[in-house]
Amino acid sequence: GAGVSQSPSNKVTEKGKDVELRCDPISGHTALYWYRQRLGQGLEFLIYFQGNSAPDKSGLPSDRFSAERTGESVSTLTIQRTQQEDSAVYLCASSLTLAGEGYEQYFGPGTRLTVT
Amino acid sequence: KNQVEQSPQSLIILEGKNCTLQCNYTVSPFSNLRWYKQDTGRGPVSLTIMTFSENTKSNGRYTATLDADTKQSSLHITASQLSDSASYICVVTKNDYKLSFGAGTTVTVRA
Repeated sequence: GAGVSQSPSNKVTEKGKDVELRCDPISGHTALYWYRQRLGQGLEFLIYFQGNSAPDKSGLPSDRFSAERTGESVSTLTIQRTQQEDSAVYLCASSLTLAGEGYEQYFGPGTRLTVT
Repeated sequence: KNQVEQSPQSLIILEGKNCTLQCNYTVSPFSNLRWYKQDTGRGPVSLTIMTFSENTKSNGRYTATLDADTKQSSLHITASQLSDSASYICVVTKNDYKLSFGAGTTVTVRA
């Protein structure tokens, strides 16, 4: 079956521009996560959506970052006024639910963002 | 300071040989510890998941161990293959959904 998909796969933008990254989770997965992976570093949690609950935005590094999710489907991560330190791979993951066996997270291939 | 530390940062092994990767963590309490494999340009893929009470878990040629007392885990790769070349990431879950990721160990298998 289809896995988690992300688009675009690569994005090069000029400093100061806004970018929008898209994630399509696995159908039926209620939980969706965004992570950032800088070169040579571990993944950093950004934001988490679970069903209709209020998202956990505690990992967003600044107010230039925001994310939306429509129901239990597609999510978009928006970065406004991009800075060079925003350059990273942005990974999206989804999971069936929080509890028990359903908690396995499935990752998309990521979007590589380069801010020049 | 990262709560999950992995070593070595990278290693090179010959095809058919074994290797062991280390993970030390300070996350406490934790609900589970996972090892992921991340191929270049791809998202991480889960290899093993261990709860607090488990001390070993295997997935084919991959065997993970966990010592919750010393807060250490290892991933052993047996009879390595060229396709094992990847980054291996140790991940500790503190609560239901927040995961702490190690920086990974890059394994290169050479023929």
